[in-house]
Amino acid sequence: GDSVTQMEGPVTLSEEAFLTINCTYTATGYPSLFWYVQYPGEGLQLLLKATKADDKGSNKGFEATYRKETTSFHLEKGSVQVSDSAVYFCALSTSGGGADGLTFGKGTHLIIQP
Amino acid sequence: EPEVTQTPSHQVTQMGQEVILRCVPISNHLYFYWYRQILGQKVEFLVSFYNNEISEKSEIFDDQFSVERPDGSNFTLKIRSTKLEDSAMYFCASSDRFSVTEAFFGQGTRLTVV
Repeated sequence: GDSVTQMEGPVTLSEEAFLTINCTYTATGYPSLFWYVQYPGEGLQLLLKATKADDKGSNKGFEATYRKETTSFHLEKGSVQVSDSAVYFCALSTSGGGADGLTFGKGTHLIIQP
Repeated sequence: EPEVTQTPSHQVTQMGQEVILRCVPISNHLYFYWYRQILGQKVEFLVSFYNNEISEKSEIFDDQFSVERPDGSNFTLKIRSTKLEDSAMYFCASSDRFSVTEAFFGQGTRLTVV
């Protein structure tokens, strides 16, 4: 079945550091790929997405590129802020679009220290 | 900004008791979902609901679980006889169309079964 593997946390960085959170996937067909973020006390929010190979999703300074050859969708940000502290979930969908088709990873807790 | 609201944020219940988790979706949304995350594990799909009936459910969603939309605004998940392994964070989501990127998630209810 489909699965998503992302790096275990917590990941602790200093403000302005470069961030990479690794995500790899296994899926039949051609999935769409997503990163969700959950800030403390809030719901899961869609951060960015990519729907086909070599697409780059970007939002709020975060980027991720859909790499079919390595089945990866790593999240990157050049300079993190304390406000980026949150839990980040990598996810995929092969169901044709509905939210019932989301397969999530375990989540990575990111802590940014001033 | 519209949001999905879940109550309570944390619920503790005794094994064997019935529990109802409540969600208020965004008002014009038509598709509703429950996901859960057992501590340290992946976020898993439970059930989707559209047009007053279940449209998809996972293997996890057995006879102990039920969902309903009792009054046109709330969307509830009932667990009839809780087990220790039901302890998890439960996320509700809603969308106005059959599109994963349009789904809004709530902040989650942490259920602890003792």
